[in-house]
Amino acid sequence: DAGVTQSPTHLIKTRGQQVTLRCSPKSGHDTVSWYQQALGQGPQFIFQYYEEEERQRGNFPDRFSGHQFPNYSSELNVNALLLGDSALYLCASSSGQSGNTIYFGEGSWLTVV
Amino acid sequence: AQSVSQHNHHVILSEAASLELGCNYSYGGTVNLFWYVQYPGQHLQLLLKYFSGDPLVKGIKGFEAEFIKSKFSFNLRKPSVQWSDTAEYFCAVNPSGGYQKVTFGIGTKLQVIP
Repeated sequence: DAGVTQSPTHLIKTRGQQVTLRCSPKSGHDTVSWYQQALGQGPQFIFQYYEEEERQRGNFPDRFSGHQFPNYSSELNVNALLLGDSALYLCASSSGQSGNTIYFGEGSWLTVV
Repeated sequence: AQSVSQHNHHVILSEAASLELGCNYSYGGTVNLFWYVQYPGQHLQLLLKYFSGDPLVKGIKGFEAEFIKSKFSFNLRKPSVQWSDTAEYFCAVNPSGGYQKVTFGIGTKLQVIP
């Protein structure tokens, strides 16, 4: 059991649509990061949330946005979907500063058609 | 910005063979280093990590890795692989003392033949 739960596990969207993915961190964790893993690639950092604020961001366009709630759960929103957004989206949680172990969820498979 | 390079993208070994997967990173400061494994259909799991201290790190399932600072390397090793080690292995790095922006390598697919 990873402790990090994500939903939905699979979804199919059409180009131009919007999608929301959800993540509940492992119990006791207050930091949530999102990663995109395209086929044949390693996970790419999208952004990180701590205390309900975006703390750091990777090289992703503004179409990618997020939110963290007071209970530390998080959402990833992607607007104006492109075919290239098809990927596995991973949520990772941790607590405290750098050096603490990061736990990953099973991911949400997004297919854009 | 940091980067990670994994040299072997696809490795095929027979059971009981020894394994070494290469990983080099690029970053101007001190780093934390990780190896993650992703078994087919499962989530990413931490194999081992290095923060400081003894550069030879032992992880789960008989894996170990050695941090060689002068070579910016963190190679993963296992003396004798099993069929159950078939998986994809990712090397990752994040700057020490900073937030947890972790940069991953492209991954190495390991196939162990019985």
